[in-house]
Amino acid sequence: GENVEQHPSTLSVQEGDSAVIKCTYSDSASNYFPWYKQELGKGPQLIIDIRSNVGEKKDQRIAVTLNKTAKHFSLHITETQPEDSAVYFCAASIDYKLSFGAGTTVTVRA
Amino acid sequence: KAGVTQTPRYLIKTRGQQVTLSCSPISGHRSVSWYQQTPGQGLQFLFEYFSETQRNKGNFPGRFSGRQFSNSRSEMNVSTLELGDSALYLCASSPRPRGLEDNTEAFFGQGTRLTVV
Repeated sequence: GENVEQHPSTLSVQEGDSAVIKCTYSDSASNYFPWYKQELGKGPQLIIDIRSNVGEKKDQRIAVTLNKTAKHFSLHITETQPEDSAVYFCAASIDYKLSFGAGTTVTVRA
Repeated sequence: KAGVTQTPRYLIKTRGQQVTLSCSPISGHRSVSWYQQTPGQGLQFLFEYFSETQRNKGNFPGRFSGRQFSNSRSEMNVSTLELGDSALYLCASSPRPRGLEDNTEAFFGQGTRLTVV
């Protein structure tokens, strides 16, 4: 969506390396930032989310950081595996709906 | 706990026809949102329903409509189909409406792939 920018659009990493995806949002009132993973032929799967009262959240190999002052948040995947290959979307709750970034296609090379 | 169920998974329709898509949310969830996903526009919000009432609406023409039933199941309808309506239509289930609690989670179904020819 136009209110959420996501970079990069494609990302290729060697298995075992880390992947980082960054998003910026426009509405300073936004307070909820989910990340979704979408595999071919499937719907988006919620993998992690963060609310504005915390700066970082971690779940095994996945972490999300939030900088409310700068209005950006990032997804970090460590020790990438082939099954991490997918399209990842960031989103922000803006005007009582989720606005999505354009997506990042992540390819993990064996 | 069953996830979000969307039916049918695939549809092929002709220009000018109408189509109805169905979504059953996660048990206990009362909010259903609909999104359109296309390669060019990405994920775009259509509308949200809670307690059988439309709570929020995106920037889509009036040909796109929806409704919600007392059991929280929702349908969306597209009339007078155009080629540009070809897309993956996704339904998201939330425990609470985003209009009341905008940090609530949203869980998506597999989507309905609509092709207009």
